[in-house]
Amino acid sequence: AIWMTQSPSLLSASTGDRVTISCRMSQGISSYLAWYQQKPGKAPELLIYAASTLQSGVPSRFSGSGSGTDFTLTISCLQSEDFATYYCQQYYSFPWTFGQGTKVEIK
Amino acid sequence: EVQLVESGGGLVQPGRSLRLSCTASGFTFGDYAMSWVRQAPGKGLEWVGFIRSKAYGGTTEYAASVKGRFTISRDDSKSIAYLQMNSLKTEDTAVYYCTRSSSVPPNDYWGQGTLVTVSS
Repeated sequence: AIWMTQSPSLLSASTGDRVTISCRMSQGISSYLAWYQQKPGKAPELLIYAASTLQSGVPSRFSGSGSGTDFTLTISCLQSEDFATYYCQQYYSFPWTFGQGTKVEIK
Repeated sequence: EVQLVESGGGLVQPGRSLRLSCTASGFTFGDYAMSWVRQAPGKGLEWVGFIRSKAYGGTTEYAASVKGRFTISRDDSKSIAYLQMNSLKTEDTAVYYCTRSSSVPPNDYWGQGTLVTVSS
């Protein structure tokens, strides 16, 4: 199985900040990486797939980068609705795996 | 509008079985793979399993933690995916989500989830 290390687990930030979340793989996965946002009591929502492709309807302040083993999710200008938990997921090989999650909280 | 609605969750004793259903609408169900993902209370997401479309053999993949106990199936005529859970353990307690899965993109739609509680 492919192991994933997502960091940080908790990120304190203010509205307007630029934030980055990292996801590192135990082996190369090309660009088969997705990012999800989850708000309390809700199902996750797909933000980015293929490492850098924005899902339809997702604001352009979200962006993804990376390939191989190191990936990053960036929120360029944090908005109030962005305070949530974010997960990366590899779909390069089974079993698919998720990162441990990053909670973005208000500083 | 794509919709996925899970049902069948509830309280079940350890060692017993439960079957979850995921009823889909708003897209051609038979053209898509489907997945199940779970989330234990206060924890992160855990991928459970996947079923390919019939065009790709309708075969399945599972997480090691559920392999041999859980079975995913599908009824394309009814647009329903199932998760049959046998020999349930307390650690299977979670909200179970079904998702529409493709390689591009993966898990683009999620249901609202159904809670399974395994407890005596």
